[in-house]
Amino acid sequence: AQKITQTQPGMFVQEKEAVTLDCTYDTSDPSYGLFWYKQPSSGEMIFLIYQGSYDQQNATEGRYSLNFQKARKSANLVISASQLGDSAMYFCAMRGIFSGGYNKLIFGAGTRLAVHP
Amino acid sequence: DGGITQSPKYLFRKEGQNVTLSCEQNLNHDAMYWYRQDPGQGLRLIYYSQIVNDFQKGDIAEGYSVSREKKESFPLTVTSAQKNPTAFYLCASTPSGTGAGSSNQPQHFGDGTRLSIL
Repeated sequence: AQKITQTQPGMFVQEKEAVTLDCTYDTSDPSYGLFWYKQPSSGEMIFLIYQGSYDQQNATEGRYSLNFQKARKSANLVISASQLGDSAMYFCAMRGIFSGGYNKLIFGAGTRLAVHP
Repeated sequence: DGGITQSPKYLFRKEGQNVTLSCEQNLNHDAMYWYRQDPGQGLRLIYYSQIVNDFQKGDIAEGYSVSREKKESFPLTVTSAQKNPTAFYLCASTPSGTGAGSSNQPQHFGDGTRLSIL
């Protein structure tokens, strides 16, 4: 069965430091995509970064990078130079062709990040 | 600007009452999704639709119903059969929903509806 695991319920980081949020996944699909979303306290889901299962290089988007280790089935999010506005819930999600041929997005339980001044 | 509009932002339901949450998108996306989020938890898929007049049950469809009569609209009805409806509901869409080539498309989300029991 497909599954996303985020083992860190909460993380603290000092402003301007880097932080890594962990994500491991399980799937038997050969082709899949991994996503990270940010959810501020207001509730909206903001797409941050994407990594495809066949991508050779780790994805980067500004201060966000994805440390993709396919053999370990991990897709950790690295936020460099943390800012106070980075305080939010962060969700790892996976998408692939699951049952019925339809793409579905499966989410982890999330990690709450608090950035301290 | 294109996007997804969910309304209302807050909704209260009385016992035994059905309520409908609206989701409208002007992104010309084929696929739309409804998720439920309970406090401190991740998102769980309720229903999804790959194309007009087609929809599929997600992981927690019991007590909910949907329709997809127009490409831009995917309303969710929370029926009286849903005994614990208090949650945050999020609607999302992607350009397409099927095929290996669509797996890299991020889902675009609305701002959500908070549903509570009176």
